[in-house]
Amino acid sequence: NAGVTQTPKFQVLKTGQSMTLQCAQDMNHNSMYWYRQDPGMGLRLIYYSASEGTTDKGEVPNGYNVSRLNKREFSLRLESAAPSQTSVYFCASLAGSSGNTIYFGEGSWLTVV
Amino acid sequence: DAKTTQPTSMDCAEGRAANLPCNHSTISGNEYVYWYRQIHSQGPQYIIHGLKNNETNEMASLIITEDRKSSTLILPHATLRDTAVYYCIVRVPHRLISNFGNEKLTFGTGTRLTIIP
Repeated sequence: NAGVTQTPKFQVLKTGQSMTLQCAQDMNHNSMYWYRQDPGMGLRLIYYSASEGTTDKGEVPNGYNVSRLNKREFSLRLESAAPSQTSVYFCASLAGSSGNTIYFGEGSWLTVV
Repeated sequence: DAKTTQPTSMDCAEGRAANLPCNHSTISGNEYVYWYRQIHSQGPQYIIHGLKNNETNEMASLIITEDRKSSTLILPHATLRDTAVYYCIVRVPHRLISNFGNEKLTFGTGTRLTIIP
């Protein structure tokens, strides 16, 4: 998964705490994405950003906010963490031209207690 | 948005060809079909993609029907390391698209492929 870096890799939060997951890509890609994956489930899109300065909701945006700080970085914020947000979070990026592949980060394991 | 439908799970004997089907009956003319796989809890790994012609690379072959409403991923000689969840996705045009390719990407639940020794 070269090129997409996520931090932190592991995090434990208490209910009500806030935190930000960071994602950066060095491939000059236009589009970036945040997914969550619950145990035994597929990937669900939280938010995505088609280009710098734009963001849009995915399938499960409630409880999250995002910022596309610049072309490289796309952060995901949990303002008031809930146990239901315990999941693995994946960031991804896409070059934006027809047929290009999607690159995924290694994942961030988040537990809310 | 075009959706995909895949079987929940499949088994395949080691050394045999694994054929994974995907239905995408509402696919639009300029949407591509992508296949990814995810081993354990790693990030999904790209396998192959195509628009309408059959494609082959070092990992797999992709067969897309003439009407483009379904496709099949073929792993020609499955090994134990091919045990994974396989996702078929269709690229959906962004509703505010200004540059072709800036698109929303939605995954389904995938097919859990188990390679049996």
